[in-house]
Amino acid sequence: EAQVTQNPRYLITVTGKKLTVTCSQNMNHEYMSWYRQDPGLGLRQIYYSMNVEVTDKGDVPEGYKVSRKEKRNFPLILESPSPNQTSLYFCASSIGQGGNEQYFGPGTRLTVT
Amino acid sequence: GQQLNQSPQSMFIQEGEDVSMNCTSSSIFNTWLWYKQDPGEGPVLLIALYKAGELTSNGRLTAQFGITRKDSFLNISASIPSDVGIYFCAGLMYSGGGADGLTFGKGTHLIIQP
Repeated sequence: EAQVTQNPRYLITVTGKKLTVTCSQNMNHEYMSWYRQDPGLGLRQIYYSMNVEVTDKGDVPEGYKVSRKEKRNFPLILESPSPNQTSLYFCASSIGQGGNEQYFGPGTRLTVT
Repeated sequence: GQQLNQSPQSMFIQEGEDVSMNCTSSSIFNTWLWYKQDPGEGPVLLIALYKAGELTSNGRLTAQFGITRKDSFLNISASIPSDVGIYFCAGLMYSGGGADGLTFGKGTHLIIQP
């Protein structure tokens, strides 16, 4: 089944403890992206990648890192999480480098205390 | 970045009614997309529009890419209970360096009253 998977689905952590949220797609898509969703603010792009070893900042990149060493994986790294990073995170991918028709994963709900 | 104004913010309708929602922007977009999000799940792509003036249907859903390329609307005909959810518009703009990433509206929350 063609899909985007994220792990973990739920995570509660403490301020400053490094964490990684994994994202994987099995559709051989070129483009991958991370979003956060917050009430009243909608979906905002954190980082995106148009190809392996190519990453770019989205609208809200502060406090996040990403890497794209393989085509299928695009992990999101929070080196020192803070409470304002409590949010619902979505990974997405699309077949073309342009990032249209993006397909979303199921989401990761992160709480930082 | 660019901003999309999506309206209405929420809609309370009766089952069987038609629904209309729209997105407007001060910027021109090359692609318009419409997504639906159910509680606890990721957004699911409903319709993609690529040309100004394009009108596309997907079952009871119809969406149009505005002639000015600054707006789009989504209509749902004869609503049913499973249409409940949050609908998002999204626009994609291509600049000289490539695509700038999707910009999302803040969503229209559709609630269907029995």
